[in-house]
Amino acid sequence: GNSVTQMEGPVTLSEEAFLTINCTYTATGYPSLFWYVQYPGEGLQLLLKATKADDKGSNKGFEATYRKETTSFHLEKGSVQVSDSAVYFCALSETNSGYALNFGKGTSLLVTP
Amino acid sequence: DAGITQSPRHKVTETGTPVTLRCHQTENHRYMYWYRQDPGHGLRLIHYSYGVKDTDKGEVSDGYSVSRSKTEDFLLTLESATSSQTSVYFCAISGTGNNSPLHFGNGTRLTVT
Repeated sequence: GNSVTQMEGPVTLSEEAFLTINCTYTATGYPSLFWYVQYPGEGLQLLLKATKADDKGSNKGFEATYRKETTSFHLEKGSVQVSDSAVYFCALSETNSGYALNFGKGTSLLVTP
Repeated sequence: DAGITQSPRHKVTETGTPVTLRCHQTENHRYMYWYRQDPGHGLRLIHYSYGVKDTDKGEVSDGYSVSRSKTEDFLLTLESATSSQTSVYFCAISGTGNNSPLHFGNGTRLTVT
């Protein structure tokens, strides 16, 4: 089946620093790729998605580009805020479980003032 | 927020007792999923449903059963809870198609003592 590998962290950054969270995947076919964010005590929320190679997903200053040649979908933000502190999950669409997503293990981000 | 309600939000139970978690949606989505979230493992799919009375196993289905008698409700049952089933359980819903994101409930924290 498909699988996702992402850096586990924790990642600690100062406010206004540049953020990169690496995500690589293994897949058959042409999966869609997603980034989700989880704030403490809450469920996961969709942050952005990309459905085909070279697509760029973006939302709230975050962006990620679907790179088929490097099988990557790295999350970036130019200037993080304290409110971005959360756990970030990379995910891709599965091929044999309905339309379930296969998630990475999550990367914890802490942004300090 | 997608209309997904999980109940209960917290539960403590003893080893060997049966437990049922409920997921209720108001979005009329066909697909519903149960995931568990554990440190170091990310989210793992337990079971999913693709319609009323139509369910199938996910990656970590042993020790769990599910039922879906109405479009809006998806129940997860632990027939005889074990300490290894202490976890946070998330319900999710989606439309059809690999582009469809999952929308998550706020989770149920289950502790088996």
